[in-house]
Amino acid sequence: TQLLEQSPQFLSIQEGENLTVYCNSSSVFSSLQWYRQEPGEGPVLLVTVVTGGEVKKLKRLTFQFGDARKDSSLHITAAQPGDTGLYLCAGLNSGTYKYIFGTGTRLKVLA
Amino acid sequence: DSGVTQTPKHLITATGQRVTLRCSPRSGDLSVYWYQQSLDQGLQFLIQYYNGEERAKGNILERFSAQQFPDLHSELNLSSLELGDSALYFCASSGTPPETQYFGPGTRLLVL
Repeated sequence: TQLLEQSPQFLSIQEGENLTVYCNSSSVFSSLQWYRQEPGEGPVLLVTVVTGGEVKKLKRLTFQFGDARKDSSLHITAAQPGDTGLYLCAGLNSGTYKYIFGTGTRLKVLA
Repeated sequence: DSGVTQTPKHLITATGQRVTLRCSPRSGDLSVYWYQQSLDQGLQFLIQYYNGEERAKGNILERFSAQQFPDLHSELNLSSLELGDSALYFCASSGTPPETQYFGPGTRLLVL
C-alpha cells in the first residue's frame, strides 16, 4: 500500500517565521502536487512538480521534488496569517491512475 | 475558481435514505475522481472514471456507486445512509496526461 507521510502534522508559528513541511514516501510518483485547503472548502492547487530534483517558486513558497521522486518539501518564507490552512501533498501513481494523498499539515500563523 | 462544479453545496437527510451528488468537470477533462473527507480527516479516494469508464477504485462502500455520463458529468449515489456517512464529498477532474487534479467546492452531507 502506498503511503505519503507528511510532517509535521500541526504547526503553529508567529508571523514572519520560516517553515518547512515534508512529504515522504517509499514509492515513486510520476508527479506530485501540493494543495492548500481551508475549512469546508475544496483543496486549491498550489503547484505540480514532475521532474526529480525540480524546484518551483511561488512568491514566498518554494517547492522541491526529491531526486528519486519519492519525497517533496514545501518551504514558506516569512509566513503570514493568510498562509493558515491545511497543506496536502498528493502523489500520482501513473500505473494505477490513483492519487495518494498525504496525511496533511495543519498550519496556523499567528499575527 | 477551479472550473469544477458540484451540486448541491449542502445536503441534510436521514438515516436509511439515498442521495445523489453531482459533479461537472473542467472543460476538456476526461477524468473525474470522487473523495470523502470526514471531520479533521484526510481525503479518502473513492473512485475514478475516465471518459465514461471506471478506471480505479478506492475505499468505496458497496452502498455507494458512481457513474460518468456521455457529457462527462458524474454522479455519486449514496444509499442506505448511516450517521457515519456524514462528511464532505469532493469531486476532482484532470486532463490527459493526468498530472494534476482540480477540485470542486464539495458537497457537505449531514445524515441525521
